[in-house]
Amino acid sequence: QKEVEQDPGPLSVPEGAIVSLNCTYSNSAFQYFMWYRQYSRKGPELLMYTYSSGNKEDGRFTAQVDKSSKYISLFIRDSQPSDSATYLCAMRANSGYSTLTFGKGTMLLVSP
Amino acid sequence: NAGVTQTPKFQVLKTGQSMTLQCAQDMNHNSMYWYRQDPGMGLRLIYYSASEGTTDKGEVPNGYNVSRLNKREFSLRLESAAPSQTSVYFCAAQQVRDTEAFFGQGTRLTVV
Repeated sequence: QKEVEQDPGPLSVPEGAIVSLNCTYSNSAFQYFMWYRQYSRKGPELLMYTYSSGNKEDGRFTAQVDKSSKYISLFIRDSQPSDSATYLCAMRANSGYSTLTFGKGTMLLVSP
Repeated sequence: NAGVTQTPKFQVLKTGQSMTLQCAQDMNHNSMYWYRQDPGMGLRLIYYSASEGTTDKGEVPNGYNVSRLNKREFSLRLESAAPSQTSVYFCAAQQVRDTEAFFGQGTRLTVV
């Protein structure tokens, strides 16, 4: 079992839909949880991050972390065609130095 | 402000040839990383350098070597390229204990 599992999709939705993207993980040492967005033929860019459990909202985007279930989610409200991209979850522990562990990424397609 | 710059952007190699992928960052970050991204596999860490003068293996180091030339530059070398090394390679820079990794635009490498 990989440390981080993420459904690769693709996930196709109409413009205006609410999108839910999810990752599960197995390493209980993970404390920082991030979502990166990657447009086609570009490098990933950080979208949001959350420390430990809880919710974080930024405009149309909401990140949720449930450490008891080892489950994280990214919600996109009022999705736009410009949201079409691959979304990668990433995690790391809180120890002195730790690297990021990425999910495989979910491809999202928002049609006008 | 360029951020993380990778060269070349595209490369085709013959099996057995060698090459070096270059990465430079102008953000004064301590840590640098090399990832490969393959369809269905997500981002996998090849090597990283937590700070100038140190390098460590990641998840998939076989067939690669790295050099942290100075704080700005981190190169990845393929000594004898194999078709299995056909991939998109990303370099990233990050401040220690920070949550955000900054990625370059990627190098698309094909080994025939």
